[in-house]
This record gives sequence, C-alpha cells and structure tokens, in this order.
Amino acid sequence: DAGVTQSPTHLIKTRGQQVTLRCSPKSGHDTVSWYQQALGQGPQFIFQYYEEEERQRGNFPDRFSGHQFPNYSSELNVNALLLGDSALYLCASSLFRGGNYNSPLHFGNGTRLTVT
Amino acid sequence: QKEVEQNSGPLSVPEGAIASLNCTYSDRGSQSFFWYRQYSGKSPELIMSIYSNGDKEDGRFTAQLNKASQYVSLLIRDSQPSDSATYLCAVLPGLTGGGNKLTFGTGTQLKVEL
Repeated sequence: DAGVTQSPTHLIKTRGQQVTLRCSPKSGHDTVSWYQQALGQGPQFIFQYYEEEERQRGNFPDRFSGHQFPNYSSELNVNALLLGDSALYLCASSLFRGGNYNSPLHFGNGTRLTVT
Repeated sequence: QKEVEQNSGPLSVPEGAIASLNCTYSDRGSQSFFWYRQYSGKSPELIMSIYSNGDKEDGRFTAQLNKASQYVSLLIRDSQPSDSATYLCAVLPGLTGGGNKLTFGTGTQLKVEL
C-alpha cells in the first residue's frame, strides 16, 4: 500500500525564482492538503484540494498556488520566492468523499526548500 | 490566544516512566483531535485520534479528551528512548469550519533518558 509520496526531497532556489513541488496521495485517498513547517514550529495549513478544486485556504499569499489532477495527485507552486519561504513543505492526503470530515491526514516525507 | 497550544518543552522523563503531554484548543466547536509524532527531520506520523470525551487506549498510548475544558492529552506508558521526538497536537474544526483543515500546535519535545 503506497503511502504519500513527495518530490523532490530537497531543493535549493534563489530569491525571486519559482518552484513546483509534487505529491501523490496515499492509495484510496482523494484529498490533498499542503502544509508549511518552519523550523521549530508546527505545520501551517496552506490549502486543500478536492475534486481538482481548491476547497480551503490558509493565511498564505497568492504567490502560493496549487493544482490537483484527475488522478488526485497535486502540485504546489510558489512564485517570487522569499528567504522566509525556506521550510519543510508537507503534503498530506485523506479520504473526504461523502463528507468524511474526521478522516485523519497521512503525511508524506516532505520537501525541504532552501531559498538563498 | 493561539488556536492550539502546547508546552514546547523539552519534557524529560526517565526510561520506563509515564510521559504526559498536554494540549489546549480555542475552538469550542472542534470535533476531532489527533496526536502526531515527529522525529527530527522527518514528517509527522499519526499515532492517536480521539473524537469523544474520555480516554482512548492503544498499546502504550492513551489519549484523553475533555471538551468542556477544551483540553486533550497524551500519556505514554513505559517510555522508551525511541519515544524521544516532538509530539504535535492537531485539531479539526467543527463541521461549520468546513472540511478537514488541521490546525497544529507547535509541538512538545519529549526526551526519554536512560
């Protein structure tokens, strides 16, 4: 049973550049959420995708955008990178179909983004 | 007031002791509560979920929920050095909050000493 997979594992970018992170959800899951975790902090919710639409969004600027594909995989795009965007980016999947609000999130191993 | 609050620690306990981790939350309508374990440099791993008041036990772990006090805790019995990690408390809003957007605390670092 494949878990949540993310790529790449590490990434180094320069300020002002753009980055795309990728995520494949756990088998059987239909919802993907993205979180940003700065060092020493808990994960912060960026947004959530279900049925290829952004369903909820956290307090992140429009530089952060995403997409979900028909196979439920997802991408996170960040434009005009800032030093403060350096963090661990976590993808989490869950099963929401039918209104399963209590479905626990299962996390991937994350992408460590460093902006220099 | 933070939505989910945890003592950052570190909490140090001797091997074999009971570790008690605490969490408070501000949204009274919250319905679901989770504990995640995160080893340094790794992603969070779900270890317990609890949805109703009272205790829920799973092996050496017991989650306790008191919605009236807006308090959730995690007890780890017979603590082992391998339990040394950061423990994240996470809360799902009530149904009116929409979907399953988890709000995390900052985590409590647990150190189990030999």
